[in-house]
Amino acid sequence: DIVMTQGALPNPVPSGESASITCRSSKSLVYKDGKTYLNWFLQRPGQSPQLLTYWTSTRASGVSERFSGSGSGTYFTLKISRVRAEDAGVYYCQQVREYPHTFGAGTKLELK
Amino acid sequence: EVQLVESGGGLVQPGASLKLSCVASGFTFSDYWMSWVRQTPGKTMEWIGDIKYDGSYTNYAPSLKNRFTISRDNAKSTLYLQMSNVRSEDTATYYCTKGSYIDWGQGVMVTVSS
Repeated sequence: DIVMTQGALPNPVPSGESASITCRSSKSLVYKDGKTYLNWFLQRPGQSPQLLTYWTSTRASGVSERFSGSGSGTYFTLKISRVRAEDAGVYYCQQVREYPHTFGAGTKLELK
Repeated sequence: EVQLVESGGGLVQPGASLKLSCVASGFTFSDYWMSWVRQTPGKTMEWIGDIKYDGSYTNYAPSLKNRFTISRDNAKSTLYLQMSNVRSEDTATYYCTKGSYIDWGQGVMVTVSS
């Protein structure tokens, strides 16, 4: 199985600042079609996960431009610009390059 | 509006069987792969498996494939998860998801305890 390892955030993050979350995979997530199959999710307290980005950097429908995914191969970053109260929660990366579709352990974002 | 509503959870004894359902609405269910994902009380997310839009193909997490079975009834727009010989470590909130994890249900809790 591909192991996904997420970094921590220096919580709490001041409102209005930027925050970057890292995610590393144990194997390249580039598929033969050239796409890199990495998802980011946000789970707000008491809610179901919400897809933020897929294919590393494509934002899902309705997701704010303040969320931007980047990376390649085995190293990925989700940047949240101008952090707001509603961004608080746990962020998960997930690889869908191959089965099983494994998740990272999650990174908690707390706001100051 | 896409809606995914899970049901069938609750308290179950170790070794028992349980079948979860997920009723879908707001989209053409038979056009989409569907998946099950669970989240432990410690918030670990675990992918369980998925099923092709016509039900002809399934994939499972290796650690679960001998005990869990995913199926669907496209006529009823319903996804199922049959769980057998459940263990305490199966205690989790179970989510059904549409397509490439675009939409998620609200989740259903399963507690395995004697």
